[in-house]
Amino acid sequence: KNQVEQSPQSLIILEGKNCTLQCNYTVSPFSNLRWYKQDTGRGPVSLTIMTFSENTKSNGRYTATLDADTKQSSLHITASQLSDSASYICVVTDRGSTLGRLYFGRGTQLTVWP
Amino acid sequence: EADIYQTPRYLVIGTGKKITLECSQTMGHDKMYWYQQDPGMELHLIHYSYGVNSTEKGDLSSESTVSRIRTEHFPLTLESARPSHTSQYLCASEDRDNEKLFFGSGTQLSVL
Repeated sequence: KNQVEQSPQSLIILEGKNCTLQCNYTVSPFSNLRWYKQDTGRGPVSLTIMTFSENTKSNGRYTATLDADTKQSSLHITASQLSDSASYICVVTDRGSTLGRLYFGRGTQLTVWP
Repeated sequence: EADIYQTPRYLVIGTGKKITLECSQTMGHDKMYWYQQDPGMELHLIHYSYGVNSTEKGDLSSESTVSRIRTEHFPLTLESARPSHTSQYLCASEDRDNEKLFFGSGTQLSVL
């Protein structure tokens, strides 16, 4: 069964600190992996998208890494801000599906305290 | 900034009512999707479309229908709402070139 598992489920950090969110997946064959940020009551917004040939991709203070061999990805947030408080969702695309099926994780709820 | 819009943002209705959730995008994307999301849970695919007059069922489609008469418009209809339909409904469209998904702000539906 294709799955995307994220950890931790929730995380609280102080403003200015760094944090790393984890995503493990079993989707195979793999096409790409995306990280999204979802503010409460809003739709997800794309942060990064990586193909199997990419190891890292950055978007400002967000850096995503990918290890396609171990089927693991991480999202590192540097110098956190209050506005980083949100749910971070990992999404993996199934290359074997003619429809490019997307598999969503349940997200990591990040809270940044002042 | 995504040019994809959903209305209404919030909706409270009684059981048995027929409702239509609207979704429009101005980016010319062929692929559009409807997802359902409960708090703390993953998004579940309800319906998708790869272009005009193309619609397919997802995992949770049995109690809803969609239409795609125009590229920019992808409405979702619940024929008879039930309390189990209470959830957030997210519409998305996909850029074919970079596979980036753009989501609307969602419709929070409550069925009493």
